[in-house]
Amino acid sequence: QKEVEQNSGPLSVPEGAIASLNCTYSDRGSQSFFWYRQYSGKSPELIMSIYSNGDKEDGRFTAQLNKASQYVSLLIRDSQPSDSATYLCAVTPGTYKYIFGTGTRLKVLA
Amino acid sequence: EAQVTQNPRYLITVTGKKLTVTCSQNMNHEYMSWYRQDPGLGLRQIYYSMNVEVTDKGDVPEGYKVSRKEKRNFPLILESPSPNQTSLYFCASRETNTEAFFGQGTRLTVV
Repeated sequence: QKEVEQNSGPLSVPEGAIASLNCTYSDRGSQSFFWYRQYSGKSPELIMSIYSNGDKEDGRFTAQLNKASQYVSLLIRDSQPSDSATYLCAVTPGTYKYIFGTGTRLKVLA
Repeated sequence: EAQVTQNPRYLITVTGKKLTVTCSQNMNHEYMSWYRQDPGLGLRQIYYSMNVEVTDKGDVPEGYKVSRKEKRNFPLILESPSPNQTSLYFCASRETNTEAFFGQGTRLTVV
C-alpha cells in the first residue's frame, strides 16, 4: 500500500462546476496535510494546509480532513480553466518525512 | 523575498560526467530536501537534511550524494550520472510540519 494515494485522473469538470479531489494516507500518526497545485514543468505551490479534523475554507477552495478514515480532500468551487493543473496531496507521517501522492490531473473545460 | 534558488535550470550531460545541482534558501529553514519527478511517479524524495551536517536517505537515494555544510545550501551531487537519472529535480525547504517552498526545478538529461 502506498503511503499517500491519489487517483491520477484526469478529472474533467465543466467551467463553473465543483471539482472534488481525494487523497488517502496510510500512517495514522500523520499530523499535517497539504494540497499543492502544479502546472506542467513548474514548481508545486501551496493551495491549502489543514491540521485538524473538519473543513477549512479559503476563497474557492475547501480542504476536508477525516483522520479516522485517513482521508483528506480538496473542493474547488466555481472551477475555472486556469485551475487546470495537477494537484498534489502531501502528508507528514513524522517529523522528517514529507510524502507526496502522485497527483491528480484536473481539466476544467470551458 | 523568500525563495529557494536552484541552478542550473536545464542541464544536458553525458553518462559518467560528475555534476552538481546547487540549492540555496534564504528563509533560515532547518529542513531541506531533494525530489525527483517522473511521469506517473510523482515527487519522490532523494535525500533530506534536518540541519547542518545532518542528512538522511529518502526513497530513491541510489546514485546521488548530498552535503549540508551551511544551513542555506544543500547541493545535489551525481558522481557518475546515468540515463535513468534523466528527470525533473526539485529542491525544497521548510520548517517542521509546515509548507514546503520549492525551487524552480532543474531539468536534467543524461545521454
